Amino acid sequence: EAQLVESGGGLMQPGGSLRLSCAGSGFTVSSYYMTWVRQAPGKGLEWVSLLYGGGSTHYADSVKGRFTISRDNSKNTVFLQMNSLRVEDTAVYYCARSLPPELYFDSWGQGTLVAVSS
Amino acid sequence: DIQMTQSPSSVSASVGDRVTITCRASQSVSRYLAWYQQKPGEAPRLLIYGAFSLQRGVPSRFSGGESGTGFTLTITSLEPEDFATYYCQQAFKFPLTFGQGTKVDLK
Repeated sequence: EAQLVESGGGLMQPGGSLRLSCAGSGFTVSSYYMTWVRQAPGKGLEWVSLLYGGGSTHYADSVKGRFTISRDNSKNTVFLQMNSLRVEDTAVYYCARSLPPELYFDSWGQGTLVAVSS
Repeated sequence: DIQMTQSPSSVSASVGDRVTITCRASQSVSRYLAWYQQKPGEAPRLLIYGAFSLQRGVPSRFSGGESGTGFTLTITSLEPEDFATYYCQQAFKFPLTFGQGTKVDLK
């Protein structure tokens, strides 16, 4: 059974950096599209970024130029490097996978909380 | 960006009721539409993909459809475990976008 486990969240000051990790098990992350979706407290879901198996990426405008999605195949892990953090980046960050060529996310991690506050 | 608008924003219902949620896209998404269920403190769960297809393991009381006003998610007979928030998502064009959510709670 596929499993995703996020880690790396925490409390940061505005302008800081953080790297989230998403470790996959039961499947090979490089064979899937991997995505990050966030949810601000009490709010809905917001798509953040997606990494294709071949390495191409997409980003939401709200994070473009500040966040970078990447992958370490040897660790079967996907990362989200978050720079220049803003208060509005405060959210639970979920990683999820989709089976190419679809963009529907059939397996999700439990989420990791990122709080940005001065 | 494609805006996804769900209605209603919330619905109060009883066990055994039939509930229908609608999702309208600001432009065509063909049938690249998914529905997710999310319970408090949990990750979303994929229910329906491709507008009509039931994800493996999802009970058959859930179904996806299309109407003149958009896409629909129907729960034919609510079970206690179905009280949750439901989101639609378009998978047609980047940026991927979600509806604002519909909360189904107990009447």
